[in-house]
Amino acid sequence: GAGVSQTPSNKVTEKGKYVELRCDPISGHTALYWYRQSLGQGPEFLIYFQGTGAADDSGLPNDRFFAVRPEGSVSTLKIQRTERGDSAVYLCASSTTSSGQSINEQFFGPGTRLTVL
Amino acid sequence: KNQVEQSPQSLIILEGKNCTLQCNYTVSPFSNLRWYKQDTGRGPVSLTIMTFSENTKSNGRYTATLDADTKQSSLHITASQLSDSASYICVVRWEERRGSYIPTFGRGTSLIVHP
Repeated sequence: GAGVSQTPSNKVTEKGKYVELRCDPISGHTALYWYRQSLGQGPEFLIYFQGTGAADDSGLPNDRFFAVRPEGSVSTLKIQRTERGDSAVYLCASSTTSSGQSINEQFFGPGTRLTVL
Repeated sequence: KNQVEQSPQSLIILEGKNCTLQCNYTVSPFSNLRWYKQDTGRGPVSLTIMTFSENTKSNGRYTATLDADTKQSSLHITASQLSDSASYICVVRWEERRGSYIPTFGRGTSLIVHP
């Protein structure tokens, strides 16, 4: 498969638990984005990586959210002490670059639907 | 606050008809604007992208327009097909700070095409 993949496709957890969501970008794409999409809403920017570093994490809602991309490819979004309000679809996207005014297209994965009971 | 507003929220049309979706934004400074199509349960897929200097961009039966002065964009779908049923999302990219270009998504227009 040449597209962006995300696992798991669905995750149900209990309030207060820790979860990890994984994103496998398209091979060779240096930029990787995480978004959160609530029902009936457009995606909300969380963080993007250029290579291994978080180039902008201004969208992370609070310190319970953290993301890593240690080798510049796969990324993991980590959520601690989950709350019911964290329930949403978490989308990942990748592109060839995100520098400056680049308009390179972002390719989205199918998302992970997180439900916090 | 940078915002992207889309209208209508939802739209139902008959197969074969045309329709136009609207996007107004207050994002500044503007970098580019994309229209995405998002099928249920899938990630968004880019249809068109427009920069400040472009007024019209077509992709098959999809035609996007941009008026950077009034900060308005439209997506026109010609001869609609059942497969056009989806959410159409307008995304405007802006420079939050030097070198950091953040995309702001609209809520989308839900289009349903009936046979």
